[in-house]
Amino acid sequence: AIQMTQSPSSLSASVGDRVTISCRASQGIRDDLGWYQQKPGKAPKLLISGASSLQSGVPSRFSGSGSGTDFTLTISSLQPEDFATYYCLQDYNNPWTFGQGTKVEIK
Amino acid sequence: EVQLVESGGGLIQPGGSLRLSCVASGLTVSSHYINWVRQAPGKGLEWISVIYSGGTTYYADSVKGRFTISRDNAKSTIYLQMNSLGAEDTAVYYCASLIYPDIWGQGTTVTVSS
Repeated sequence: AIQMTQSPSSLSASVGDRVTISCRASQGIRDDLGWYQQKPGKAPKLLISGASSLQSGVPSRFSGSGSGTDFTLTISSLQPEDFATYYCLQDYNNPWTFGQGTKVEIK
Repeated sequence: EVQLVESGGGLIQPGGSLRLSCVASGLTVSSHYINWVRQAPGKGLEWISVIYSGGTTYYADSVKGRFTISRDNAKSTIYLQMNSLGAEDTAVYYCASLIYPDIWGQGTTVTVSS
């Protein structure tokens, strides 16, 4: 199975900060990667598919990039509602696999 | 409105079995793929199984041989039969159509404990 390694596992940031989360695949997955946001007690929400395609209704401060094995989720200016845990998911081949998550906390 | 609703969770003793159900509305399960994803308390998301429109199924190594995913098209329902349950299977279980489109149920909680 393809392993997805996210970094960092957690970070502290302030409102307005630029935040970058990385996800590395153990083998090439083209651009078959999604990014999810999860808040406590809620189901995850898809932010980005195809590594860089912003989902409808998702604020433009979120962006994704990368291809092959290295991917990045960027929040250009962190807002109070962005404090959450973020996961990458490879849908390149089965079994699909999530990264271990990155918790974004308030500094 | 497209909706997925899980049920069947509960408290089960180690070694026991449980069957989860996921009822779909506004989505034709026979022409779509549905996944099961779980999240242990305080832990991350774990993809565990999928059934494709043609009936092909896949499993994570952690559940292979113990869990079986199936589908009843007439009832618009996806099932997850879970056998030989252990404490490590304690989690919230979500059914989800991942990414294309992205739809999640509310989750059902499975607790494996004596």
